[in-house]
Amino acid sequence: SAVISQKPSRDICQRGTSLTIQCQVDSQVTMMFWYRQQPGQSLTLIATANQGSEATYESGFVIDKFPISRPNLTFSTLTVSNMSPEDSSIYLCSVEVGTGAQYFGPGTRLTVL
Amino acid sequence: KQEVTQIPAALSVPEGENLVLNCSFTDSAIYNLQWFRQDPGKGLTSLLLIQSSQREQTSGRLNASLDKSSGRSTLYIAASQPGDSATYLCAVQGNTPLVFGKGTRLSVIA
Repeated sequence: SAVISQKPSRDICQRGTSLTIQCQVDSQVTMMFWYRQQPGQSLTLIATANQGSEATYESGFVIDKFPISRPNLTFSTLTVSNMSPEDSSIYLCSVEVGTGAQYFGPGTRLTVL
Repeated sequence: KQEVTQIPAALSVPEGENLVLNCSFTDSAIYNLQWFRQDPGKGLTSLLLIQSSQREQTSGRLNASLDKSSGRSTLYIAASQPGDSATYLCAVQGNTPLVFGKGTRLSVIA
């Protein structure tokens, strides 16, 4: 298994600003994932972050809006840029370990006014 | 494109009842299926992982089965408790990243 922490746990931001979310894992992992969960919806994958290479974004998500860093095997950041109220969601990071199980962080609840 | 459906969307049961949550998926070419629990406003807790070669997995009062050929999985919860109240999500892993269902919102009434 893996223990994952995220910062901040929640934030309220103004339209047009940016927020960087941090994800820390207690062990070295190759692949880290960033998800968005909009109110009342299930999870949607934003991007996959591998250490030492550019993140791979899913359809509908672009690097300019959601830049990702992956400086080492235990840490990643996701920035939500130029925010609008439609970006209000829970943002979660996850990692894949061992036999393919994914473990998730506690999430960051973002509200954009 | 893989699609995951969970039925029912919501379920309310009295404490002590045994219950079954259903998950179906359209593409049977999967590597594994995972069940998660999510409490309101929180992250996901991994409950059970079933590899494509397995038929079931058990953890305490939870039992998950997988019928890959028919594209179905069930999560059986025995002797339900109020603390089991949460949203249960299933997700499948194939050649694409994890695809999630919309979840079943479970309420166990004391």
